[in-house]
Amino acid sequence: DTEVTQTPKHLVMGMTNKKSLKCEQHMGHRAMYWYKQKAKKPPELMFVYSYEKLSINESVPSRFSPECPNSSLLNLHLHALQPEDSALYLCASSQEGQARGNEQFFGPGTRLTVL
Amino acid sequence: GQNIDQPTEMTATEGAIVQINCTYQTSGFNGLFWYQQHAGEAPTFLSYNVLDGLEEKGRFSSFLSRSKGYSYLLLKELQMKDSASYLCAVIKLTGGGNKLTFGTGTQLKVEL
Repeated sequence: DTEVTQTPKHLVMGMTNKKSLKCEQHMGHRAMYWYKQKAKKPPELMFVYSYEKLSINESVPSRFSPECPNSSLLNLHLHALQPEDSALYLCASSQEGQARGNEQFFGPGTRLTVL
Repeated sequence: GQNIDQPTEMTATEGAIVQINCTYQTSGFNGLFWYQQHAGEAPTFLSYNVLDGLEEKGRFSSFLSRSKGYSYLLLKELQMKDSASYLCAVIKLTGGGNKLTFGTGTQLKVEL
């Protein structure tokens, strides 16, 4: 299984809602990532988890709260978002350690619209 | 800081060869990836370079010069399905996950 799955595929939420994005992989990868991608722009790193511990937070606002319940799952909890947070949210996973061959495998993304 | 540049758009003809360039200035370098991304889909891995030189993989080849901070992706025998965004990305090992920084992306359009 070389697949990263994400749910939901699409999400529309109001600025006062609380929602969660979910990501799952069964490749035995111990590093998992959240990216944000705006239209016609490259993905921007938000968070990195290594061995279920948050290792990188790229100065992301606290209205985004990541969680890694176990080595296969990664969540992104959303609360009080702004319309400018509308974007494609991509999850990825990779092996830890040496970079050679440790490409990041991306999920299909969640298209988020904040009204 | 991180600065990774690519041409914004390129157009090529079916069956032809196209070269997409990427220049980078980054703090830390442990390799360079090329990804392909079709509209609305996830990026998919194309190639990886960590040493200088050319890596060939079917219709796709990627070249790296670390001293020049330069890479290119060469696509041969272009097909219509190659119309997509091509992203170069520099990887940096942090000891806690691998930090991937993407370039600006090149939108390639393949025409008949």
